Amino acid sequence: QVQLQESGPGLVKPSETLSLTCTVSGGSISTYYWSWIRQPPGKGLEWIGYIYYSGNSNYNPSLKSRVNISVDTSKNQFSLKLTSVTAADTAVYYCARSVAGTRESWDYWGQGTLVTVSS
Amino acid sequence: DIQMTQSPSSLSASVGDRVTITCRTSQSITTYLNWYQQKPGKAPKLLIYFASTLQSGVPSRFSGSGSGTDFTLTISSLEPEDFATYYCQQSYNTPQFGGGTKVEMK
Repeated sequence: QVQLQESGPGLVKPSETLSLTCTVSGGSISTYYWSWIRQPPGKGLEWIGYIYYSGNSNYNPSLKSRVNISVDTSKNQFSLKLTSVTAADTAVYYCARSVAGTRESWDYWGQGTLVTVSS
Repeated sequence: DIQMTQSPSSLSASVGDRVTITCRTSQSITTYLNWYQQKPGKAPKLLIYFASTLQSGVPSRFSGSGSGTDFTLTISSLEPEDFATYYCQQSYNTPQFGGGTKVEMK
């Protein structure tokens, strides 16, 4: 059974960089697309971007200038960096795996981690 | 950008009811439409992808239909565990989610 687990600081100061890592267990990171998705408290879902195990990535245009997603196949992990954060970036951040053969339909999700942007 | 309109935003229903949620897009997305269920404090769960394909392990009381710009998620007979928020999501281009439909107990 594939499991995903997000890790990283729960509090980030405004203007700094949010960094999260997703560790995949129970399966290989190869062959699938891996995404980050966020949800501000009490609000809807927003796709941030995806990465393929080969390193090919794609980002939401609304965040593209501030986002970088990378992959470390040796550790079965992928990571998110979001620069110049503001209070609007406060959200639960989920990592997720795409359904085989798709890029943006997600069948396995992490439990989510709340990141608060505050001084 | 594709505009997504999910309706209703909330509904009240009883166990055993047939429930229908709709999602409309501002342009054709063929069948690149997914449905998720989310319970409080939990990650979303994929129910339906490509508009009508039931995800493995999801009960058959859930079904999806539609193509182009109009899509429907139907729960044929509501079970107690189905009270949750449901989201549609298009994967035709930059992924976007609908605003959600909260299914509450009547």
